[in-house]
Amino acid sequence: AQTVTQSQPEMSVQEAETVTLSCTYDTSESNYYLFWYKQPPSRQMILVIRQEAYKQQNATENRFSVNFQKAAKSFSLKISDSQLGDTAMYFCAFNSFYGQNFVFGPGTRLSVLP
Amino acid sequence: EPEVTQTPSHQVTQMGQEVILRCVPISNHLYFYWYRQILGQKVEFLVSFYNNEISEKSEIFDDQFSVERPDGSNFTLKIRSTKLEDSAMYFCASGVLAGGERTQYFGPGTRLLVL
Repeated sequence: AQTVTQSQPEMSVQEAETVTLSCTYDTSESNYYLFWYKQPPSRQMILVIRQEAYKQQNATENRFSVNFQKAAKSFSLKISDSQLGDTAMYFCAFNSFYGQNFVFGPGTRLSVLP
Repeated sequence: EPEVTQTPSHQVTQMGQEVILRCVPISNHLYFYWYRQILGQKVEFLVSFYNNEISEKSEIFDDQFSVERPDGSNFTLKIRSTKLEDSAMYFCASGVLAGGERTQYFGPGTRLLVL
C-alpha cells in the first residue's frame, strides 16, 4: 500500500518570503499522480498543483511550484512571495494510475506572518 | 466556476441514529468519492462510485455505510447506526477521471458530531 509522509507538522514564513513544504511517498509503481491541496480555516480543500509522474518537467502554477524527484520519491511544494492568504493546512496526496482513491499525507500547517 | 456542494454543513446526532450526508457533485463529473477526516488526523478515503455502483472502497467503509445516487444530481452517504468514532468531517469529491485528468474536486465538508 502506498504511504505519504509530510515530515513538517508546522511551518511559518514571513510575508513575501519563500517557503518549501516537503512530501515523500512510497510506491512500487512507475506511473502515478501527485497533488498538493490547501485547506484554509474555512475547511474546504482546494487544489494547489498537480504533477503526473511520467512528466519530467516540474509543475508550476503562478507562485506555486513543485520539485518532483521521482527516484527519491519526493514531491516538495515551493511557495514564492508568500501571502497572508496562504495560511492553511497543506496536504500532499498520491493517486495510483491503477486506482481511484487518493492517499493523503498528515498535512503541514503553514502560517504566514505579517 | 462549478463547485461541489454539501449539506448540511454541520450535523449533530445521537449514537445509534441514522444520518444521511448529501453532496451535489460537479455536473459533468462521472466519478464521486467520500473521504473523512477525524479531527487532527489525515484525510482518509472511504469509497468511490461510478456508473451507479461502488468502484472502490476502503476497510473503513463497512456494512454500516452505504452510498447512493438517488437522482441525476445528488450523491449521498448514509451511516445506518452511528458510533462515537464516526464523528469527523466528511468530504465529498468528484472528478472526470478521463484522459489522464485525475484531479478530485472537494466540497466544503459536513462536520458530523455523534453524541
